[in-house]
Amino acid sequence: SYVLTQPPSVSVAPGQTARITCGGNNIGSKSVHWYQQKPGQAPVLVVYDDSDRPSGIPERFSGSNSGNTATLTISRVEAGDEADYYCQVWDSSSDSVVFGGGTKLTVL
Amino acid sequence: QVQLVESGGGVVQPGGSLRLSCAASGFTFSSYGMHWVRQAPGKGLEWVAFIRYDGSNKYYADSVKGRFTISRDNSKNTLYLQMNSLRAEDTAVYYCAKDPASIVATIFDYWGQGTLVTVSS
Repeated sequence: SYVLTQPPSVSVAPGQTARITCGGNNIGSKSVHWYQQKPGQAPVLVVYDDSDRPSGIPERFSGSNSGNTATLTISRVEAGDEADYYCQVWDSSSDSVVFGGGTKLTVL
Repeated sequence: QVQLVESGGGVVQPGGSLRLSCAASGFTFSSYGMHWVRQAPGKGLEWVAFIRYDGSNKYYADSVKGRFTISRDNSKNTLYLQMNSLRAEDTAVYYCAKDPASIVATIFDYWGQGTLVTVSS
């Protein structure tokens, strides 16, 4: 089955740029979606179809996808961005949704 | 506004059964696909199942195939998850989530707050 690999943790200082990667075999051929989850809360969609933002999500959140890596980029990081982030795709070969293992973003 | 409210969680013994419900409101429930997603304590997200808008097709994670059944009652705006032969590793918070598509699984644009299922003797 398809596997998505994320770094367990990323740390960044306030005001800097955080980049969270999601690796998968030829992931550039798939649509990648990203979710933010804060402790005790349900996940929230922050980027879909590689780089689109749902309404209400700040422009500071952006995404890209090429080759074997998709990336969620958070510009001008704020303390409130501290959360777990998950990438997700639909794997047509197994007719299943696949999540990455999640990345904990720490704002220093 | 869109609301998804799960219920039916609790403590069950290994080998037992439980049925989860998800009451939907604020959108035309019968027009959209729906999912169940779970999260074991301290772990990541795991997709469980998807059902098309009309219930005509269902998809399952390998970890639950043959044990769990997703269904829906569009007249009651309610999504269900029947869980049989439960194992300790099924212990998790179970979320229902809405898909903006009707036929294929794409993304989760709205989530409920989840219901906790604990499988323990």
